[in-house]
Amino acid sequence: DTGVSQDPRHKITKRGQNVTFRCDPISEHNRLYWYRQTLGQGPEFLTYFQNEAQLEKSRLLSDRFSAERPKGSFSTLEIQRTEQGDSAMYLCASSSRAPGGNSYNSPLHFGNGTRLTVT
Amino acid sequence: DAKTTQPTSMDCAEGRAANLPCNHSTISGNEYVYWYRQIHSQGPQYIIHGLKNNETNEMASLIITEDRKSSTLILPHATLRDTAVYYCIVRVAADSSYKLIFGSGTRLLVRP
Repeated sequence: DTGVSQDPRHKITKRGQNVTFRCDPISEHNRLYWYRQTLGQGPEFLTYFQNEAQLEKSRLLSDRFSAERPKGSFSTLEIQRTEQGDSAMYLCASSSRAPGGNSYNSPLHFGNGTRLTVT
Repeated sequence: DAKTTQPTSMDCAEGRAANLPCNHSTISGNEYVYWYRQIHSQGPQYIIHGLKNNETNEMASLIITEDRKSSTLILPHATLRDTAVYYCIVRVAADSSYKLIFGSGTRLLVRP
């Protein structure tokens, strides 16, 4: 178990540019989540995948944001036409179905995030 | 919105037990209480979770009151490395995504 891996760890971009982040979940975890965290706040949910299907999107996920998980393994989060307000830590988490099928009993495991700075 | 209330900040002396309280008075019977912590510049780290019974692992103990309206996370011998923001989260039973909704947490400072 190598944990959830996110790449890059840091990204600095100019306003208006597009950026893409990658998340590699724990192997065989079928659920994958993206969160955003700004300074001094707790993480905020953005979107959720079960296998390759994107099943829920937060209202925080504007039209400039798109997430994919094409083969049900790694995921990408793209932000188009970045704005200064997009500056934040973007966190990825994964979880699996718990033994006995009770998924409320299965923790989310987080990566160390990608810190985005838009100048 | 988060279903929990935590103190904004706490401190304790190194080597002593750190007891972090959490109120969750609207918790439903099948909702779990989860605890995570976040050290600066890292992602949230899972600590422990429970439903009704007290739980213990290598990191901490979780004490849940009999009426389940509050809980306490106990770090038995706090070290400087335990300085972090601690989040108490109630996992909503009706949410089919099984996501976690974070509040603002408790900032714990362990003093030398």
